[in-house]
Amino acid sequence: QSVLTQPPSVSGAPGQRVTISCTGSSSNIGAGYDVHWYQQLPGTAPNLLIYANNNRPSGVPDRFSGSKSGTSASLAITGLQAEDEADYYCQSYDSSLSGYVFGTGTKVTVL
Amino acid sequence: EVQLLESGGGLVQPGGSLRLSCAASGFSFSTYIMSWVRQAPGQGLEWVSGISGSGGSTYYADSVKGRFTISRDNSKNTLYLQINSLRAEDTALYYCAKRNSVYEEFDYWGQGTLVTVSS
Repeated sequence: QSVLTQPPSVSGAPGQRVTISCTGSSSNIGAGYDVHWYQQLPGTAPNLLIYANNNRPSGVPDRFSGSKSGTSASLAITGLQAEDEADYYCQSYDSSLSGYVFGTGTKVTVL
Repeated sequence: EVQLLESGGGLVQPGGSLRLSCAASGFSFSTYIMSWVRQAPGQGLEWVSGISGSGGSTYYADSVKGRFTISRDNSKNTLYLQINSLRAEDTALYYCAKRNSVYEEFDYWGQGTLVTVSS
């Protein structure tokens, strides 16, 4: 029962640009809470990809970028590479639930 | 280098109990809020519980409130999760995660420990 909704899957050819949406509500993203993004490669733990809406930790390529507007956020991957095949999750805080919430997750496939 | 190493998972019957541990190193453990996040097989991530640096404040998802207890021993740099009255739907990989202080993202994760609830 995730409160942040993501598309189940997106795909693109190598070199293309793909975007993943994360739709929330007035008690989480719309309330001004930051959105973070995680990449989970097959069989591994999640790894922080974007923090505080649009910031990249050191070591994360600048092909990854984030944005936030209203009750939604987006993750963009430009110059798609085979190594980007993974599951991606958004995450924020929800004041109604008094806890952290994750998105439903999106599987990125490189064609 | 920050390291988080979970242990304590296993196969348990419905109604049983387990205590998960997470040994932390490479950072000032007592300074940071720590959390447990779980992932059922083939499913997404679910935040389960969090605890303040001192251990004085604890937080739980509604799905586990009353059955799970989070705690920490700062002298041992170890985080715990006591899970009782286990149900089939608690079957998951349980990750411990360090929460950063400024923007509240989970900046480091362990590799997880698997809890399987089955008769």
